[in-house]
Amino acid sequence: NAGVTQTPKFQVLKTGQSMTLQCAQDMNHNSMYWYRQDPGMGLRLIYYSASEGTTDKGEVPNGYNVSRLNKREFSLRLESAAPSQTSVYFCASSLVSNTEAFFGQGTRLTVV
Amino acid sequence: AQSVTQLGSHVSVSEGALVLLRCNYSSSVPPYLFWYVQYPNQGLQLLLKYTSAATLVKGINGFEAEFKKSETSFHLTKPSAHMSDAAEYFCAVRPSNFGNEKLTFGTGTRLTIIP
Repeated sequence: NAGVTQTPKFQVLKTGQSMTLQCAQDMNHNSMYWYRQDPGMGLRLIYYSASEGTTDKGEVPNGYNVSRLNKREFSLRLESAAPSQTSVYFCASSLVSNTEAFFGQGTRLTVV
Repeated sequence: AQSVTQLGSHVSVSEGALVLLRCNYSSSVPPYLFWYVQYPNQGLQLLLKYTSAATLVKGINGFEAEFKKSETSFHLTKPSAHMSDAAEYFCAVRPSNFGNEKLTFGTGTRLTIIP
């Protein structure tokens, strides 16, 4: 059982380039999340999707877009990468609100 | 709106000593509360959760936490620290009202165990 799978694991981008981070879960979960983790700042919510077909902004949505492609997949897109987007990105999913979220292994993104 | 405050970004305890990691929350509706642990270069894994049943919650690896509504707290404790407990710990809150799936984390506490 794979759980939450993120691709790629590492990525280096040049300023202004675009890319999409992929996330898929095989647990039939309803909700999916994208967080970024920066030293001293914990995990900050970028976007989340409470169910297939819906997405909502989190604390730090600027510079990002998301797509809930289907129940399994939730992608995060950087249209024009900036050095401030250098971070570790985590995808997570959960079944319902009183259950825990399961996390992927993260994507380490560096923008130069 | 909801938020989590974790007091102490770094905590050091001696092996065998009590571990106490502090978490205070703010939520406009009754909350669900979670503690997660992150080992270096890994994702987060659940330690324990409070979902409005018993206020004293036991988790994995000997950790427990007590929900105190009057203090809006959910502190994490372990009676005797072990070297393998060295990691970063995150408290998280989610409102319990139907349809609100926003999960908010604190800034984390890095726990160091002194041999």
